[in-house]
Amino acid sequence: AQTVTQSQPEMSVQEAETVTLSCTYDTSESDYYLFWYKQPPSRQMILVIRQEAYKQQNATENRFSVNFQKAAKSFSLKISDSQLGDAAMYFCAYRSLETSGSRLTFGEGTQLTVNP
Amino acid sequence: EPEVTQTPSHQVTQMGQEVILRCVPISNHLYFYWYRQILGQKVEFLVSFYNNEISEKSEIFDDQFSVERPDGSNFTLKIRSTKLEDSAMYFCASLGQLNQPQHFGDGTRLSIL
Repeated sequence: AQTVTQSQPEMSVQEAETVTLSCTYDTSESDYYLFWYKQPPSRQMILVIRQEAYKQQNATENRFSVNFQKAAKSFSLKISDSQLGDAAMYFCAYRSLETSGSRLTFGEGTQLTVNP
Repeated sequence: EPEVTQTPSHQVTQMGQEVILRCVPISNHLYFYWYRQILGQKVEFLVSFYNNEISEKSEIFDDQFSVERPDGSNFTLKIRSTKLEDSAMYFCASLGQLNQPQHFGDGTRLSIL
């Protein structure tokens, strides 16, 4: 079974600065997706960014980018020019493409605080 | 942009009662999911549904739980004989194609008293 680990329960960043959230995962598969979801206090689940494992190029969405290291099974999220609205819980998630199921497996989450 | 809609947003129920949580997935999506998040914990997979049957379920999804797609638009999660530990946020998600991300609803907060 796949597992996802987020080793930073809490992180903080100054407004306009850059922060990196860590995520590692364990799998024996070679084909899968990785995602970062944002959960603000309203508890909605908002997709931030996704990465296909077969792509070597790191995904980027505006101020959000990832550092995907397949061999190391690492998938970190970098938030540039942090804004107050970025404050939320961030979850890393894994989805297999090799098994019949398409469930998401989530990490424990990192609570991000943005200081003005 | 199409959305996944969940009702109610908050459900309060006495222990031992049955609850039905409702979801309207995005209309052309084929894969449906329920996830649970106990307060302060991570999101956990409960069940996936495809082609009018359960395609995968977790160890959490025991006989107390059932899912149904009673018509062409709704997807429901029924919890029988609710327990205090069923209190959680329940998220519905849907997916159109396997190479796309799942779209989540806003969740139903279930409180068991």
